[in-house]
Amino acid sequence: LAKTTQPISMDSYEGQEVNITCSHNNIATNDYITWYQQFPSQGPRFIIQGYKTKVTNEVASLFIPADRKSSTLSLPRVSLSDTAVYYCLVGVPSGSARQLTFGSGTQLTVLP
Amino acid sequence: GAGVSQSPRYKVAKRGQDVALRCDPISGHVSLFWYQQALGQGPEFLTYFQNEAQLDKSGLPSDRFFAERPEGSVSTLKIQRTQQEDSAVYLCASTPPGGWETQYFGPGTRLLVL
Repeated sequence: LAKTTQPISMDSYEGQEVNITCSHNNIATNDYITWYQQFPSQGPRFIIQGYKTKVTNEVASLFIPADRKSSTLSLPRVSLSDTAVYYCLVGVPSGSARQLTFGSGTQLTVLP
Repeated sequence: GAGVSQSPRYKVAKRGQDVALRCDPISGHVSLFWYQQALGQGPEFLTYFQNEAQLDKSGLPSDRFFAERPEGSVSTLKIQRTQQEDSAVYLCASTPPGGWETQYFGPGTRLLVL
């Protein structure tokens, strides 16, 4: 499984856009990039997944350059409730579920 | 609908005691995973079930760890002769058929071994 590297922590202010970048230099051709969010005392929650270019859903956007060696999770107009740990994962989705490999994640703190 | 539930939410054990942690997956979810999360770290895979079959237990740290899912629904993670290094949050996740990215996690059981 490809190793991922993320910043340990980031601070932001309410209303700002936050971009968290993940490096995955050894990503394989069939690997997808997935982001999870985890609040204290809760299990991780799926945010977004992509393979290339840009993916957007109701909570975030995921930007993936052509070489796919990195990806950026973009959270628009963050609020205090977005304070959480964000994990970047790479791997192959398949018909049968596989284990997820988490790194240490990025602690995002949103300040008032 | 109901999500993944785990019980107990908190467990304090004396070193050497046996503990049993329960996971109730989302109804109809075929795959079930157990993860261990140490403080300040991401979750680490322990074991995986598809229905009642335990297909991968490569992440179990020692033979003191045992998991079962006898009827393909509720799962129990048992830790025998607990040690202080077993202190962690134990997370359970389930997935619908065909869903890799959409693992639905429970709130976890926080185990403290004294």
